[in-house]
Amino acid sequence: GDSVTQMEGPVTLSEEAFLTINCTYTATGYPSLFWYVQYPGEGLQLLLKATKADDKGSNKGFEATYRKETTSFHLEKGSVQVSDSAVYFCALSLNTGFQKLVFGTGTRLLVSP
Amino acid sequence: DAGVTQSPTHLIKTRGQQVTLRCSPKSGHDTVSWYQQALGQGPQFIFQYYEEEERQRGNFPDRFSGHQFPNYSSELNVNALLLGDSALYLCASSLVPSGRAETQYFGPGTRLLVL
Repeated sequence: GDSVTQMEGPVTLSEEAFLTINCTYTATGYPSLFWYVQYPGEGLQLLLKATKADDKGSNKGFEATYRKETTSFHLEKGSVQVSDSAVYFCALSLNTGFQKLVFGTGTRLLVSP
Repeated sequence: DAGVTQSPTHLIKTRGQQVTLRCSPKSGHDTVSWYQQALGQGPQFIFQYYEEEERQRGNFPDRFSGHQFPNYSSELNVNALLLGDSALYLCASSLVPSGRAETQYFGPGTRLLVL
């Protein structure tokens, strides 16, 4: 079945460090890929998405490129801030009919001043 | 523009009881999906409603049921609660499926604790 695998956390960084959170997927079709962020005590917010191979999603300094050859969608940010501390979820959705999101287990990011 | 709203925010029930959670979708959205997020895990898809019918269902028992109203709002009902049903229940809304990945917008969730 369709699945998403994320790197284990927590990821602990100092402010202004470079961030990479790895995400790989398995899907029977050609999925769209998403990164969602969850701040403490809150629901999920869409961070960025990409709908086809080689697309790059970007938002608030975060980027991820849809790599079909490696079935990956790694999240990157050049310089993290304390306010980026949250849990990040990679997810996929197949581009057919009624869609459901399949999520990874999440990666907690902790940024210290 | 109001986003997705859910009620209540927190709920405490005992085993064997029944619970109803409510969701109002983002303005202009007509499709509602429900997810269960256990502590430390990613959300798991429960089911999705469109035009007042359940369109897709995840791997959840029949104790989990839902409803969508003509104004697109939705309810999630869980019968015969088990301790393992303790989780954050998330509602997400989106536009009518078009064959391309419509972005799902999430509410803040209802945290259910079963004692």
